[in-house]
Amino acid sequence: QKEVEQNSGPLSVPEGAIASLNCTYSDRGSQSFFWYRQYSGKSPELIMSIYSNGDKEDGRFTAQLNKASQYVSLLIRDSQPSDSATYLCAVKKDNAGNMLTFGGGTRLMVKP
Amino acid sequence: DAGVIQSPRHEVTEMGQEVTLRCKPISGHDYLFWYRQTMMRGLELLIYFNNNVPIDDSGMPEDRFSAKMPNASFSTLKIQPSEPRDSAVYFCASRAWGGKTQYFGPGTRLLVL
Repeated sequence: QKEVEQNSGPLSVPEGAIASLNCTYSDRGSQSFFWYRQYSGKSPELIMSIYSNGDKEDGRFTAQLNKASQYVSLLIRDSQPSDSATYLCAVKKDNAGNMLTFGGGTRLMVKP
Repeated sequence: DAGVIQSPRHEVTEMGQEVTLRCKPISGHDYLFWYRQTMMRGLELLIYFNNNVPIDDSGMPEDRFSAKMPNASFSTLKIQPSEPRDSAVYFCASRAWGGKTQYFGPGTRLLVL
């Protein structure tokens, strides 16, 4: 079992819809969770971080964390074609110093 | 700020050759990370430094890989000898002390023939 798992996709949604991206992790000691966006041929960029159970909203993005279920998700409201990218979930363990473990990423396609 | 700078951006070499990748972190950042990204294995951490000192190199695949950070503004990742399975995109990232965000460089796309 991979430490951080994501459905590779592609996830296809129409413009204006809500895109829901999911991530599960295996280590219950994980404390910090991050969503990175990576456009094709580009480097990852951080879009959201979440540290406690519940929802965290930033503009059109909402991160949701459920530590009991070891599950973190990213919702993108009013999806735009410019949101088409690969979304990487990253997890930091409590005792892992500064190391992040990344999932394989979910490719999102927003169709006009 | 110019962000994290990596060179070269593209490298094509033949199996058995030495490859050196270079990284300049964001000025003032205390942490530097080297990652490798492939379709099969995704984004993997190879090694990271804190204040120029290697802290964890457990992700370095084998002895053919080595990394150094001689000063706060420069790091190298060397592969000697290179093999076709080393073909990947290599990212360098840096982070400030107490910061939560790792800033990635543009990456070096390596192809070993």
